[in-house]
Amino acid sequence: DGGITQSPKYLFRKEGQNVTLSCEQNLNHDAMYWYRQDPGQGLRLIYYSQIVNDFQKGDIAEGYSVSREKKESFPLTVTSAQKNPTAFYLCASSSRGSGGYTGELFFGEGSRLTVL
Amino acid sequence: KNEVEQSPQNLTAQEGEFITINCSYSVGISALHWLQQHPGGGIVSLFMLSSGKKKHGRLIATINIQEKHSSLHITASHPRDSAVYICAPSGAGSYQLTFGKGTKLSVIP
Repeated sequence: DGGITQSPKYLFRKEGQNVTLSCEQNLNHDAMYWYRQDPGQGLRLIYYSQIVNDFQKGDIAEGYSVSREKKESFPLTVTSAQKNPTAFYLCASSSRGSGGYTGELFFGEGSRLTVL
Repeated sequence: KNEVEQSPQNLTAQEGEFITINCSYSVGISALHWLQQHPGGGIVSLFMLSSGKKKHGRLIATINIQEKHSSLHITASHPRDSAVYICAPSGAGSYQLTFGKGTKLSVIP
């Protein structure tokens, strides 16, 4: 079955450590996204990529890094520079809409990161 | 930047009731997504629409581009509909979405 897989589901990190969240899709989608969700707030875009080897910063990119070496994979690294990394992280992918807008979104199950 | 307002923020309904969730946005868009987030955190896309009306089973989504407003309706609500419903407009020519804060729906048997 086609879908999008995130791992790990739960992750604990000590302050000062970098962690990498995995996101893999087999939907043949060009576009992939990383969002952060905090209680009581809407999803906020961290990074997005529309094509392999290219990605753009979203609204809250500071303290995060990504790579897009393969179409299927879009890992997110939460670096020690991210001051408040405890949050729920969601990866998504989509096709391109015919009018130049985001097609239907498919989400992973999310990764819950807690900094100890 | 697109400002997105959803109402109500919280909604409790009796099983079988007709539900309406509203979404207003400030900037012209190409399309609008309705999403459902389950208590465990997973998100599912319900609709993507750019005009008119779409229907999937008991769910109906409408959009009025001129008035910058969309509604999600649930007919014959059921406890399994309990979730957070999120609207997300996509700006014209943009691959970025702006997400509303969501409407938390609880359907009581």
